[in-house]
Amino acid sequence: GENVEQHPSTLSVQEGDSAVIKCTYSDSASNYFPWYKQELGKRPQLIIDIRSNVGEKKDQRIAVTLNKTAKHFSLHITETQPEDSAVYFCAASNDYKLSFGAGTTVTVRA
Amino acid sequence: NAGVMQNPRHLVRRRGQEARLRCSPMKGHSHVYWYRQLPEEGLKFMVYLQKENIIDESGMPKERFSAEFPKEGPSILRIQQVVRGDSAAYFCASSLDGILGLMNTEAFFGQGTRLTVV
Repeated sequence: GENVEQHPSTLSVQEGDSAVIKCTYSDSASNYFPWYKQELGKRPQLIIDIRSNVGEKKDQRIAVTLNKTAKHFSLHITETQPEDSAVYFCAASNDYKLSFGAGTTVTVRA
Repeated sequence: NAGVMQNPRHLVRRRGQEARLRCSPMKGHSHVYWYRQLPEEGLKFMVYLQKENIIDESGMPKERFSAEFPKEGPSILRIQQVVRGDSAAYFCASSLDGILGLMNTEAFFGQGTRLTVV
């Protein structure tokens, strides 16, 4: 089955700086890579996703890059704000099943 | 659209009791998924159901766990004879289509049910 690894497990950044989270996957058949943000005690919410026919996608301060050859993808958050503090999960899928990374706890220091 | 609704939000059960977790998908969604999240871990796939059918239950323990999604009513995840190791957050998700990412299909998650076995 698919195995997704995510790094780092914790990330502390100064407000206004950038945050980068990296994930690798094992199944070359995976073609859909969403990123979820989960605040404490709340539901995971999709913040951005990318399909394997695209190398990069951007939505305001959030961007995701995908390297299919190396089987890794990354989340970039620029100009971080306190409300960006949360746990972020990457995931990979080639149909209906999402395989999640272990999560990155991001803390934005004011 | 109220989104994916799960209840109860918190459930405490003694060892050996049964736990029933309910999930109402988003309106119009016929694809339902259950995931389990242990503390400080990612979500792990358990089961995928489409109205009245179990499509994939490969992530669900073969004993004590069962899931259904009847024609009428919510999807139910049932855990019989709970043990301490069943303590976790159980999330339900739903989607319009069964192929995620295709035609902008995404999985929407509920708030989760936090099960504590004492």
